[in-house]
Amino acid sequence: AQSVTQLDSQVPVFEEAPVELRCNYSSSVSVYLFWYVQYPNQGLQLLLKYLSGSTLVKGINGFEAEFNKSQTSFHLRKPSVHISDTAEYFCAVSDIIPRGSTLGRLYFGRGTQLTVWP
Amino acid sequence: NAGVTQTPKFRVLKTGQSMTLLCAQDMNHEYMYWYRQDPGMGLRLIHYSVGEGTTAKGEVPDGYNVSRLKKQNFLLGLESAAPSQTSVYFCASSPSLVTPRGYEQYFGPGTRLTVT
Repeated sequence: AQSVTQLDSQVPVFEEAPVELRCNYSSSVSVYLFWYVQYPNQGLQLLLKYLSGSTLVKGINGFEAEFNKSQTSFHLRKPSVHISDTAEYFCAVSDIIPRGSTLGRLYFGRGTQLTVWP
Repeated sequence: NAGVTQTPKFRVLKTGQSMTLLCAQDMNHEYMYWYRQDPGMGLRLIHYSVGEGTTAKGEVPDGYNVSRLKKQNFLLGLESAAPSQTSVYFCASSPSLVTPRGYEQYFGPGTRLTVT
């Protein structure tokens, strides 16, 4: 089974500073990768995803992430954060399963709390 | 198009009581999931369903049962609640695994359950 490691449980930054939230996964098989964001007292919202193609993917709210297969990483970045980006961010990974199989599922990291200070 | 909805939003139970959480989706998705979220633990899969009438265990299934009698609904039951089941419960759905986009899961707003 996959394991997903989010290396920082809390990341405090000042407004307009750049930020990187790190995510590593364990499996070397082909994967799909996701970042979800959870604002206080809300459900999870998809921020961006890597399914195929360019390893640099862009998502909503100015976030982007880079898939690095050799390092099994999918780090999330934003060049200039806003106070409204304060939220918890979850990295999730799914093994690509053979067609017709029904065993695919998402594995989540433990989350990174991003706090943006004025 | 409401997406994924969950009822109730909040619930307080006494130890030993039972309850059912309801998840509904209007996107005609094949797959549905129940997760629990605890501080510092991320989301852990309780049970999931790959289609109407089917269910399967996730990584933390003990103490929970599920049913998927209709494609759009996925019910999570607690037969005898315990304080360890105090958590936030999320339901999610996804189209299927036939295409890459089918792996993307759509989440409900959550149910906050407290067991005293």
